[in-house]
Amino acid sequence: DAKTTQPPSMDCAEGRAANLPCNHSTISGNEYVYWYRQIHSQGPQYIIHGLKNNETNEMASLIITEDRKSSTLILPHATLRDTAVYYCIVRVGLGNTGKLIFGQGTTLQVKP
Amino acid sequence: EAQVTQNPRYLITVTGKKLTVTCSQNMNHEYMSWYRQDPGLGLRQIYYSMNVEVTDKGDVPEGYKVSRKEKRNFPLILESPSPNQTSLYFCASSNWAAGYGYTFGSGTRLTVV
Repeated sequence: DAKTTQPPSMDCAEGRAANLPCNHSTISGNEYVYWYRQIHSQGPQYIIHGLKNNETNEMASLIITEDRKSSTLILPHATLRDTAVYYCIVRVGLGNTGKLIFGQGTTLQVKP
Repeated sequence: EAQVTQNPRYLITVTGKKLTVTCSQNMNHEYMSWYRQDPGLGLRQIYYSMNVEVTDKGDVPEGYKVSRKEKRNFPLILESPSPNQTSLYFCASSNWAAGYGYTFGSGTRLTVV
């Protein structure tokens, strides 16, 4: 699976959009981009995933560049409860392996 | 409620005393996995299973065993625990065909003294 690069930390003001970048320049055509987050020491939580097109769900939006070498997770109106470590993961999907490798992630601090 | 249940949540044990951490899911997922999390090293995959009787090594399998005799359960076995296995452990399950990735349990904090 392709390697990802994320900034180690970011701050965001409460109520503003949080834009978390991820570089995955070696991504191949059948690899999906997944985003998870981990709040304190809880189990990681799935947020969103995508292949080529931009995706949106009730939690976030995922913007993938046309060349697929980078993506941005957008939390449209960040709250204090969104303070967490956010992981961007690239993997071959769907379903032919159970392997899922986490990197170091981005620690997002939402401030009042 | 759809969930992954791990037990126990906290465990302190002594070196060499065999232990089992249980994991059960009620979502009929094919895939299950175990991770450990350590400060500075992040989440590392120990073992995963793609279906009953099918298991495979992750990145850090040494010192651990797993079994998948039935779909809902995926216990993690430490035959002879050592202090370097002190960690926070997470079990996860997935129906990857649906594309949503792993659902994680609440974690088991293990201390080996």
